[in-house]
Amino acid sequence: NAGVTQTPKFRVLKTGQSMTLLCAQDMNHEYMYWYRQDPGMGLRLIHYSVGEGTTAKGEVPDGYNVSRLKKQNFLLGLESAAPSQTSVYFCASSLASEQYFGPGTRLTVT
Amino acid sequence: TQLLEQSPQFLSIQEGENLTVYCNSSSVFSSLQWYRQEPGEGPVLLVTVVTGGEVKKLKRLTFQFGDARKDSSLHITAAQPGDTGLYLCAEPVGGSNYKLTFGKGTLLTVNP
Repeated sequence: NAGVTQTPKFRVLKTGQSMTLLCAQDMNHEYMYWYRQDPGMGLRLIHYSVGEGTTAKGEVPDGYNVSRLKKQNFLLGLESAAPSQTSVYFCASSLASEQYFGPGTRLTVT
Repeated sequence: TQLLEQSPQFLSIQEGENLTVYCNSSSVFSSLQWYRQEPGEGPVLLVTVVTGGEVKKLKRLTFQFGDARKDSSLHITAAQPGDTGLYLCAEPVGGSNYKLTFGKGTLLTVNP
């Protein structure tokens, strides 16, 4: 089992560009999450999904959109990147509250 | 949302030393999870504690849940450089059985 995978691992964007981060899990988990991690701020929940076809806002959803068309995939989109979105992004999945994380995507917006 | 406070924020020790890090709240935890995040990686679940007074051991790591379920500690015996990382505590949000709120973590560095 690969667990939770994320692509890409690194990305540099210019302000105003768009991109999509892909998360995939092979554990048949219902719940999936996107977090961002910034120094001194801890892990903050951006959006989450409780099942295929569903999404919900987390603590810091502004500037991001998500989709979960297939149970195993959870996509995070940035429509118009801003320097404030420079961060490390983690995807996670779970059957209940114990979460399994991907290796992260380091995004820099210049 | 319950606020989880972790202390210390940073800890740098020499290999072979013992250490304890803490996770506290003003409210009662329903349960508590501890994660370790190694540099450049995602967090990995270490343990879940549920019952007040519970003690769990994972090799050189000992996790305690306070009797009143408002605090938890992680004790590492004879720390090794491989223990270096960010230690996070997390609690299910408001009765949720899937969403978590995380503390800001303790960044541990074990020097050889």
